[in-house]
Amino acid sequence: GQQVMQIPQYQHVQEGEDFTTYCNSSTTLSNIQWYKQRPGGHPVFLIQLVKSGEVKKQKRLTFQFGEAKKNSSLHITATQTTDVGTYFCAGPEYGNKLVFGAGTILRVKS
Amino acid sequence: DAGITQSPRYKITETGRQVTLMCHQTWSHSYMFWYRQDLGHGLRLIYYSAAADITDKGEVPDGYVVSRSKTENFPLTLESATRSQTSVYFCASKDSGGNQPQHFGDGTRLSIL
Repeated sequence: GQQVMQIPQYQHVQEGEDFTTYCNSSTTLSNIQWYKQRPGGHPVFLIQLVKSGEVKKQKRLTFQFGEAKKNSSLHITATQTTDVGTYFCAGPEYGNKLVFGAGTILRVKS
Repeated sequence: DAGITQSPRYKITETGRQVTLMCHQTWSHSYMFWYRQDLGHGLRLIYYSAAADITDKGEVPDGYVVSRSKTENFPLTLESATRSQTSVYFCASKDSGGNQPQHFGDGTRLSIL
């Protein structure tokens, strides 16, 4: 079945540093979704990318979808303590399901 | 999201017991999902449902049973709990249409002793 790999598994940064998490799929994706889960919380939808090479921004967060639609990245500029949590990418599977990456845990040291 | 609620939030039980986790959504979403979250594994799909009375297995269905007699409810039952089922369980729902996002409940933290 489809697999979605995400790296790194864990990253600890100093407040103000940048952060990037990468997502790679074993198959071409029609779209990719990103979710954020705060510590002790539940995953919350952030954004969806659909087009090849698409770039979307949400304030300090930049999301990219690869040209081949098999990889994606999330970049956070100048991290803040409010950015802590786990970031998941997810690709669609038949039956309206999602296959989630294992997630990247971000810790920010102030 | 206030529209999807899970209960209980925390549960401790013993091996061999039956336990049911409840999930209720008020959006009338067609699709509902149950995931378990374990460190290092991300979110793994247990069961999902496309509509009332339609359910299907996900990646890790063994030891679990679901039902969906009404659109708004999607209970998950562990028929004979085992320690390996200690986990955080999330219910999610989504509207029909392949690109719609999933909306998650607050989760149930289940410990099996």
